[in-house]
Amino acid sequence: GAGVSQSPSNKVTEKGKDVELRCDPISGHTALYWYRQSLGQGLEFLIYFQGNSAPDKSGLPSDRFSAERTGGSVSTLTIQRTQQEDSAVYLCASSFSRTVYYGYTFGSGTRLTVV
Amino acid sequence: AQSVSQHNHHVILSEAASLELGCNYSYGGTVNLFWYVQYPGQHLQLLLKYFSGDPLVKGIKGFEAEFIKSKFSFNLRKPSVQWSDTAEYFCAVNYNNDMRFGAGTRLTVKP
Repeated sequence: GAGVSQSPSNKVTEKGKDVELRCDPISGHTALYWYRQSLGQGLEFLIYFQGNSAPDKSGLPSDRFSAERTGGSVSTLTIQRTQQEDSAVYLCASSFSRTVYYGYTFGSGTRLTVV
Repeated sequence: AQSVSQHNHHVILSEAASLELGCNYSYGGTVNLFWYVQYPGQHLQLLLKYFSGDPLVKGIKGFEAEFIKSKFSFNLRKPSVQWSDTAEYFCAVNYNNDMRFGAGTRLTVKP
């Protein structure tokens, strides 16, 4: 497609369960980012992938969070043993490179609710 | 710590009023500056950006922003808002290829 695609758009899960969030970036975009948007908190950087380089995981809040990007395209963000504080909108963005002249293109996000 | 601050959490204006949303950052070096907009139910979109040159940047839909280096600010302005400008606005600062976002300002324009 023409944009960044994220699935599911909404996810309700029970505390303690694992969840997987998917991001399909724009074709040709080598850089992919995950952000978390919590109410009143702005966008919190989680992780960044650039081509085949090792990802920048410096924003992951705990070891319950992990992400992978297969074949330089689709990315999956996994949250293990979810907690209520994990409830947020998880946004994926992609760009041509980490040189952000063109800005990022964001997906519509996955709204995660942990009950 | 490095940060991006948006002073207003929620702004309510009537149509045709002028708009100014504040954004300040604390990075000391060369930065690239952005404003993103998120309309209700839609994804974040780039509104405008500053990389170099004229510090007054014009973006889409009549928005502009002014980079004032001495004040570490990049305020967003629009002379006359419309109901369709109702959205959440995010300031972002790219420093050393690390993009950080402000908490956002929700703008409500009353018809």
